[in-house]
Amino acid sequence: EPEVTQTPSHQVTQMGQEVILRCVPISNHLYFYWYRQILGQKVEFLVSFYNNEISEKSEIFDDQFSVERPDGSNFTLKIRSTKLEDSAMYFCASSDLGPGIGELFFGEGSRLTVL
Amino acid sequence: AQSVTQLDSQVPVFEEAPVELRCNYSSSVSVYLFWYVQYPNQGLQLLLKYLSGSTLVKGINGFEAEFNKSQTSFHLRKPSVHISDTAEYFCAVNRGSTLGRLYFGRGTQLTVWP
Repeated sequence: EPEVTQTPSHQVTQMGQEVILRCVPISNHLYFYWYRQILGQKVEFLVSFYNNEISEKSEIFDDQFSVERPDGSNFTLKIRSTKLEDSAMYFCASSDLGPGIGELFFGEGSRLTVL
Repeated sequence: AQSVTQLDSQVPVFEEAPVELRCNYSSSVSVYLFWYVQYPNQGLQLLLKYLSGSTLVKGINGFEAEFNKSQTSFHLRKPSVHISDTAEYFCAVNRGSTLGRLYFGRGTQLTVWP
């Protein structure tokens, strides 16, 4: 069964360092998302991406964050200069239709720990 | 703004007992409603969704949920749980936009005891 894969599963970094989280969405999907979950808190939307551009982003997704689809398969989230409060589980998701119609398929997550 | 409330952070229950996980939402517009499940060390998996039509929605693994517009609720139920149902369950709302975000509740940890 096709699945969304994320790497790394866990990354530890120093505050101020750049981090890139990688995702391989399901191959025929058109919509891509990043969500995050800080420990003990809600799963929060970060950004959605469609047709090679950001379609929506939340208040969390400030200038320190960027997304890219560098080739036909990968979808990356970059945090330019990590802060302690960026420590969270980051989930990538994809769907073949929008979330109001299609199902979001989530990856297993990348746990980011900022020291 | 959307808001999703899952009143119970933890629900312990014995095997073969019925269970209800509660979800309430606030929205001034029509919404789509979802329940996701997360097993340990896995991603979020869709259990069921309500888009329109019948207010009783059946999902995978014997779960069902009922959309109640007047009470703005979308409670998840299962008549008889198994130990394998032990997981975290998340209620989520979409504002009805095909490109819009999902708003999640805090999650309910369901623990099924033998």
